[in-house]
Amino acid sequence: AQSVTQPDIHITVSEGASLELRCNYSYGATPYLFWYVQSPGQGLQLLLKYFSGDTLVQGIKGFEAEFKRSQSSFNLRKPSVHWSDAAEYFCAVGATGGYNKLIFGAGTRLAVHP
Amino acid sequence: DTAVSQTPKYLVTQMGNDKSIKCEQNLGHDTMYWYKQDSKKFLKIMFSYNNKELIINETVPNRFSPKSPDKAHLNLHINSLELGDSAVYFCASSQEGTSGEQYFGPGTRLTVT
Repeated sequence: AQSVTQPDIHITVSEGASLELRCNYSYGATPYLFWYVQSPGQGLQLLLKYFSGDTLVQGIKGFEAEFKRSQSSFNLRKPSVHWSDAAEYFCAVGATGGYNKLIFGAGTRLAVHP
Repeated sequence: DTAVSQTPKYLVTQMGNDKSIKCEQNLGHDTMYWYKQDSKKFLKIMFSYNNKELIINETVPNRFSPKSPDKAHLNLHINSLELGDSAVYFCASSQEGTSGEQYFGPGTRLTVT
């Protein structure tokens, strides 16, 4: 069965520091992988996605993620965090095709210190 | 301009009542979803409709009944509300044949007292 693990429930970084949020997935075939961000009281916004090709994908707001099949990982990175990046981050895996459910990880809450 | 919209944004009601949440998307997508986010922020799929046809129905109590009058709308009706139904409900949409990214509405926070 498909599953997503985000090992870190809560991460705190200083503004300007680099960031890496971990995501591991379990899926039998090549997965579609996504990172979403949820600001307090808001809906989910798609940061980036991977479904084929280059394993390093660029997203919005300066985020990137790298797909590593051998490690079943899809970690999210940002070289320099801004205070406005404080939010909840969700990794998700989806089956191929356009109308399948997404399986979400439990989320990582990011706090940014000034 | 809002791509996926939901009404209401907040819903406070008493146990035993029946309530509905509405969702509309103007992206021209043919698939829509309902997700439930619990108090620990965990997100779980409830239903999915493709071109008005139910295609995903997770193990959700039959007090929950989705209805899709057309492919731009997916409503969620909940009968006999219980305390455990308190959560944030998100609507989402996607286009068949794409890489599957889903676009989410702002959520409806349901509080059952």
